[in-house]
Amino acid sequence: DTGVSQDPRHKITKRGQNVTFRCDPISEHNRLYWYRQTLGQGPEFLTYFQNEAQLEKSRLLSDRFSAERPKGSFSTLEIQRTEQGDSAMYLCASQRGHVYEQYFGPGTRLTVT
Amino acid sequence: DQQVKQNSPSLSVQEGRISILNCDYTNSMFDYFLWYKKYPAEGPTFLISISSIKDKNEDGRFTVFLNKSAKHLSLHIVPSQPGDSAVYFCAAKEYGNKLVFGAGTILRVKS
Repeated sequence: DTGVSQDPRHKITKRGQNVTFRCDPISEHNRLYWYRQTLGQGPEFLTYFQNEAQLEKSRLLSDRFSAERPKGSFSTLEIQRTEQGDSAMYLCASQRGHVYEQYFGPGTRLTVT
Repeated sequence: DQQVKQNSPSLSVQEGRISILNCDYTNSMFDYFLWYKKYPAEGPTFLISISSIKDKNEDGRFTVFLNKSAKHLSLHIVPSQPGDSAVYFCAAKEYGNKLVFGAGTILRVKS
């Protein structure tokens, strides 16, 4: 399977703990996106990378959130000092060059108790 | 402020009939539009797209229509099949690359 993969698929954590999610994009895709989706809503943009450079961050991305894409391959999204409001599905998508279609992974469902 | 709106939370259609899903947008800078389908516990799957310079794009049973003056697009599925039952998201690309999504429409195709 050469699609976008995400790990873990589910994460339950206690408020105040740190969590890290991983995304592996489709191998030839140089752009990688993170979105967050809550119940009854569509995905909301968080941040995106072109190769290893983080080019845009949403104002939704507070200082507790950080994302990296070392070497322009996989990416990680870390949330520090989690809050209950962080509970959501975190989606990763990748895109090739100037083709506009983004291809999504299965997501990581985060529950903060 | 929602820039992409899907005003119908759900739609129920008989198998074999046409499904029409609608989407409205407010930002005239959007230059590319996409439809995604999502099954439970899966990520959104790309379905079909259309550039703002076109008014129609067709791919098999799926056709997307764009009316720029009305800032409206629609997805037609003909004929509808039970396997089409899913949540459908309309998305728009603005300058740059990020996508702005609507809240989704749940389509149920009855057999």
